[in-house]
Amino acid sequence: KAGVTQTPRYLIKTRGQQVTLSCSPISGHRSVSWYQQTPGQGLQFLFEYFSETQRNKGNFPGRFSGRQFSNSRSEMNVSTLELGDSALYLCASSSMTSTDTQYFGPGTRLTVL
Amino acid sequence: QKEVEQNSGPLSVPEGAIASLNCTYSDRGSQSFFWYRQYSGKSPELIMSIYSNGDKEDGRFTAQLNKASQYVSLLIRDSQPSDSATYLCAVNPNSGGSNYKLTFGKGTLLTVNP
Repeated sequence: KAGVTQTPRYLIKTRGQQVTLSCSPISGHRSVSWYQQTPGQGLQFLFEYFSETQRNKGNFPGRFSGRQFSNSRSEMNVSTLELGDSALYLCASSSMTSTDTQYFGPGTRLTVL
Repeated sequence: QKEVEQNSGPLSVPEGAIASLNCTYSDRGSQSFFWYRQYSGKSPELIMSIYSNGDKEDGRFTAQLNKASQYVSLLIRDSQPSDSATYLCAVNPNSGGSNYKLTFGKGTLLTVNP
């Protein structure tokens, strides 16, 4: 099976712009989670989608949003970018077994100038 | 605030030695525990999952869970230079509906010296 894919892999934006990141989960996986990783804060949960519905949300401002499509692909959007949004954004997918794990994609490295 | 704590390291061990990585968590209701390995510039890669008290072995890796002490550990036997990476402890808090929200520690940097 192909793994989780994320596009683009690298992005450079300037403050005030907005950005959209894309994630395609492992085939058959219906849950997609997004995380932000920075050197200072480590890996922090952003949100999780299942069947096009957001089920969980982390402690991030409303500038961070996401959605999931009927084919389980997911996008996250960050509006009005700030310098502090520079990070590695990771997508992870999970199947629906009871003892489950999350499998991470390669990430999108976002740099805000 | 549900927290997962790890020693940041770096932890340095000689090749062939046992590396011991530790993690404590604050949410007593947590049910699922994971260890991920992350090489510099790469994404986290799952090494082990553990759900019940006791030990779970997979090759050179052994995860240990003690829910009463809220403690998870990872032992790496016969450490190799290729094991040099940051090891992330992740806990699934008892969030009631979804099982897919992980809280991560900040990771322990392990260096295995040839």
